[in-house]
Formats: sequence, structure tokens, C-alpha cells
Amino acid sequence: SQELEQSPQSLIVQEGKNLTINCTSSKTLYGLYWYKQKYGEGLIFLMMLQKGGEEKSHEKITAKLDEKKQQSSLHITASQPSHAGIYLCGAEMNTGNQFYFGTGTSLTVIP
Amino acid sequence: DGGITQSPKYLFRKEGQNVTLSCEQNLNHDAMYWYRQDPGQGLRLIYYSQIVNDFQKGDIAEGYSVSREKKESFPLTVTSAQKNPTAFYLCASSIVTGGGNGEQYFGPGTRLTVT
Repeated sequence: SQELEQSPQSLIVQEGKNLTINCTSSKTLYGLYWYKQKYGEGLIFLMMLQKGGEEKSHEKITAKLDEKKQQSSLHITASQPSHAGIYLCGAEMNTGNQFYFGTGTSLTVIP
Repeated sequence: DGGITQSPKYLFRKEGQNVTLSCEQNLNHDAMYWYRQDPGQGLRLIYYSQIVNDFQKGDIAEGYSVSREKKESFPLTVTSAQKNPTAFYLCASSIVTGGGNGEQYFGPGTRLTVT
């Protein structure tokens, strides 16, 4: 079973459009992390959310964690080709120290 | 510059041969991880280590082995017992595990192809 569900699995948007990626768990998350991966490369850390209701922004990317700490969203405003890649959420569950990743969302931005 | 290095970037092996993937970090992190990435399956944890000379199995440890003799190094051996070894392997490290303090830093990955 997948501990973290991500949706959508893939996304194709026109440059300049806004988009949202979701990450959902059936368990409480102790720490929720968002990463970006360019194809065939390692993951780059974007943001970490820890408190229920927390929201963080970096440039045109905003991440939120819901009050129950079971769902997070990543929102990109006015997308650019440089935003293209695979976005993965990762989290530590309340069941222990093991870290889980979602299946990833592949984003393509058409110029 | 601090970071994590993985070598080589691409690795080719014949079926039945063991192969060792290198992972080195100079971030002074206690915890290190090995993940496997396959298309459509995200990252799956193979092994992790929170301290030198200690490591734990992840979700898919069968057919793999690791060692943690030094804080900086966490090599992964893919043995001939691993039925589907062809994949993209990622190594990561973090300061600590647990408690929401586990931001992980990733290496560039090694793509292993076994024929």
C-alpha cells in the first residue's frame, strides 16, 4: 500500500497557468517535505511543513499543510518552463522514523 | 563545497554479478539512506543508517546489502539475488531522523543497468 498518495500523476500546462499538486496520507504527518527532481538527477529540497495550517512560499511556489496534518498541496503561480520536472512529497509518519515518498507528479510546461 | 557524491553516474553489469554503488557525504550528517526509483513508483527505501556501524532494512531490502563503517560513507551492494536490479539508485543523508527534522540531501543518482 502507498503511504502517501500524490495527484495528479502527470500534468501538462501552458506557460503562465497556475497549477496545484496534492499529497494525501491516511496517517498524521510529523514533517511534510516537497522535493523537485529533474529527469535522471537527484532530488532538490523545496520546502518543509511541520505545523497544521502552515503555509510557506518561495518565489512562485506555495506549499500548505492542512490542520489535520494529513494533506498538503503545492501551488505554482504563473508556471514557467523552468518549473518542469517531477515533484515529490515525502513525510515522516507517526509510526516511526521511516521516511516515505509519494509516487511523484510529472509536470510539463509548454512555452 | 559540501554535498553528496555518488559514483558512477551510469553502471552496466552482467546478470549474476554483484555490484557496489558508492555514496559519500561531507555534510557531517548522521543519517544516510538508499532509495530505488522506478518509473511510476516514486522512491522506495532500501536501507537506512542512523549511526555508524548500524543500519536498518527499508521496504525493499531483499537482494541488497550495505555497510556503514565510516560516517561519511554508505555503500550499497546489489547482489545477484536481487531479481530486478535495473533501476535508478539515489543516496541521501540528513542530520537526524524523526521528529520532523529529516530534510534529506540527495546525491545525483546512479543508473544501474543489468543485462
